[in-house]
Amino acid sequence: AQSVSQHNHHVILSEAASLELGCNYSYGGTVNLFWYVQYPGQHLQLLLKYFSGDPLVKGIKGFEAEFIKSKFSFNLRKPSVQWSDTAEYFCAVNPLPGNTGKLIFGQGTTLQVKP
Amino acid sequence: NAGVTQTPKFRVLKTGQSMTLLCAQDMNHEYMYWYRQDPGMGLRLIHYSVGEGTTAKGEVPDGYNVSRLKKQNFLLGLESAAPSQTSVYFCASSSQRRTGSNEQYFGPGTRLTVT
Repeated sequence: AQSVSQHNHHVILSEAASLELGCNYSYGGTVNLFWYVQYPGQHLQLLLKYFSGDPLVKGIKGFEAEFIKSKFSFNLRKPSVQWSDTAEYFCAVNPLPGNTGKLIFGQGTTLQVKP
Repeated sequence: NAGVTQTPKFRVLKTGQSMTLLCAQDMNHEYMYWYRQDPGMGLRLIHYSVGEGTTAKGEVPDGYNVSRLKKQNFLLGLESAAPSQTSVYFCASSSQRRTGSNEQYFGPGTRLTVT
């Protein structure tokens, strides 16, 4: 079965530290890839997405992610985190073709940034 | 545009009671989805719809039914609620694209407790 694995369940960082959250998926075909963020008490918002072209994609709020096809990975990075980045982060995969837009989500990573 | 809205925001049910969650979107999206979010498990797809009058099962459909009588609305029903259905329920919608990414837009969620 297709699955998405996020390696870090809970990450605690100090402000200005660098962030990297791992995401791996199990599917051999073409995929669309997403990172969503959920701030406390809010709904999911799109951080960034990859569907073709440059494997290094930039999103909102200084986040970026790199798609490495050979490793089935789509890791999220930010050079310097802020307290306002405290949130839960979800990696999601949309397997293609036969596209119904369905997303398979990872378990989520809770990021806590200390001021 | 309101985007994706969900009604109600909170609900407490007793075991065996029934209820319907309403999702509405004003973006003219073809695809709509219902997810449940549980700690440590990410979001799991319950049911989805690729168009008015069509529905399909997702990853965890048991105990739920859905209907998509109008393009803008997607209803999730619990016929006989169980404590295992205590969760946060998110609705999402996306446009139909043959190529490119199908970004999903999420509603604010419904927190359901079954006692």
